[in-house]
Amino acid sequence: AQKVTQAQTEISVVEKEDVTLDCVYETRDTTYYLFWYKQPPSGELVFLIRRNSFDEQNEISGRYSWNFQKSTSSFNFTITASQVVDSAVYFCALSVYNQGGKLIFGQGTELSVKP
Amino acid sequence: KAGVTQTPRYLIKTRGQQVTLSCSPISGHRSVSWYQQTPGQGLQFLFEYFSETQRNKGNFPGRFSGRQFSNSRSEMNVSTLELGDSALYLCASSPLRDYEQYFGPGTRLTVT
Repeated sequence: AQKVTQAQTEISVVEKEDVTLDCVYETRDTTYYLFWYKQPPSGELVFLIRRNSFDEQNEISGRYSWNFQKSTSSFNFTITASQVVDSAVYFCALSVYNQGGKLIFGQGTELSVKP
Repeated sequence: KAGVTQTPRYLIKTRGQQVTLSCSPISGHRSVSWYQQTPGQGLQFLFEYFSETQRNKGNFPGRFSGRQFSNSRSEMNVSTLELGDSALYLCASSPLRDYEQYFGPGTRLTVT
């Protein structure tokens, strides 16, 4: 069975601080996909990134960066110089090959960025 | 391109009734998945449809069902509503299976 754990339920930072959201996953499949989604107060889930299990290269997109480490089954997300608009619930998710329509979500981390 | 649309956005039903929710995927997307979001259980997968066929089903009772039409639009139905069915129901579409999913704004269902 697959599982995603986001141990941090809530994080509060002050604007311009860097913050890392942790994600640990479990699966026995060798081909799988990892995702991060953002859910702002409006409620709509916004896709941020997709990574496949064969690509451990870290990725940077503006102030966002992702660190994928298969050795520790982790896919962590860092926001550099956080802004108030980053306040949201962030979800890490996992799907396995050929069950791509089924995302297994972690419980989410609520990030609050204060001015 | 227009995003995923869901109707209605809000719904109030009485226990024992049934409800149908609708989802229109992004144009060209063939895979549609449904999720239930509650404060206690978080985001849980309901089912996935691809090319009008259910490809995957989550661990929900048979009261929850769905279908997909030839234009990829999808509906989900919940019969004999229970108080515990109160939730945000999210639809997501994807161009192909194993790709990223794009979510709609959801339907907020309240069962009284």
